[in-house]
Amino acid sequence: AQTVTQSQPEMSVQEAETVTLSCTYDTSESDYYLFWYKQPPSRQMILVIRQEAYKQQNATENRFSVNFQKAAKSFSLKISDSQLGDAAMHFCASSDGQNFVFGPGTRLSVLP
Amino acid sequence: SAVISQKPSRDICQRGTSLTIQCQVDSQVTMMFWYRQQPGQSLTLIATANQGSEATYESGFVIDKFPISRPNLTFSTLTVSNMSPEDSSIYLCSAIKGLDRDSGNTIYFGEGSWLTVV
Repeated sequence: AQTVTQSQPEMSVQEAETVTLSCTYDTSESDYYLFWYKQPPSRQMILVIRQEAYKQQNATENRFSVNFQKAAKSFSLKISDSQLGDAAMHFCASSDGQNFVFGPGTRLSVLP
Repeated sequence: SAVISQKPSRDICQRGTSLTIQCQVDSQVTMMFWYRQQPGQSLTLIATANQGSEATYESGFVIDKFPISRPNLTFSTLTVSNMSPEDSSIYLCSAIKGLDRDSGNTIYFGEGSWLTVV
């Protein structure tokens, strides 16, 4: 079984600053995938970034990067140059290939 | 990626009635799922919609309450039957395009359907 934990229910960041959202997971699978999704007030779940567990290199996507620590089962998201549009619920998720498990979410506020 | 359209996006429903949510994907997908999301909460999987056969339901969800259809590889419906105020929630359609590594094994979501039962 998979589990995903996000220990920060709420976070805030000043516009243009950097923030890191934490996520830990547990899985018995050797091959799995990790994701960060954001859900703004519009409700649409939007993929932010994806990491394949078999890849050692941390995924990056423009202002978004992850710190994937496989041994520690940690998968944090770093948002650089935070923008007002980053304000949303952010969900960490893991997948064993077909089954997805989502964390409880972190509500990120961006202060102008 | 996959573009997923859901309708209705929002509705107010009378207690005891049923409502069907439609989900259309812009391309053939391997798997389709339905999630429920209570306000301020994470996502709870209702069921996996299987093409041409009965859906696979998660614990706590039954076919009589949440009948699901998936007649082809791009379309699915979820019906919320005999609604009560406890069914007020966001219902999300989602899909995985491919299960191979090249496809990224990524789940994509529709815009969600926000149902309020009064």
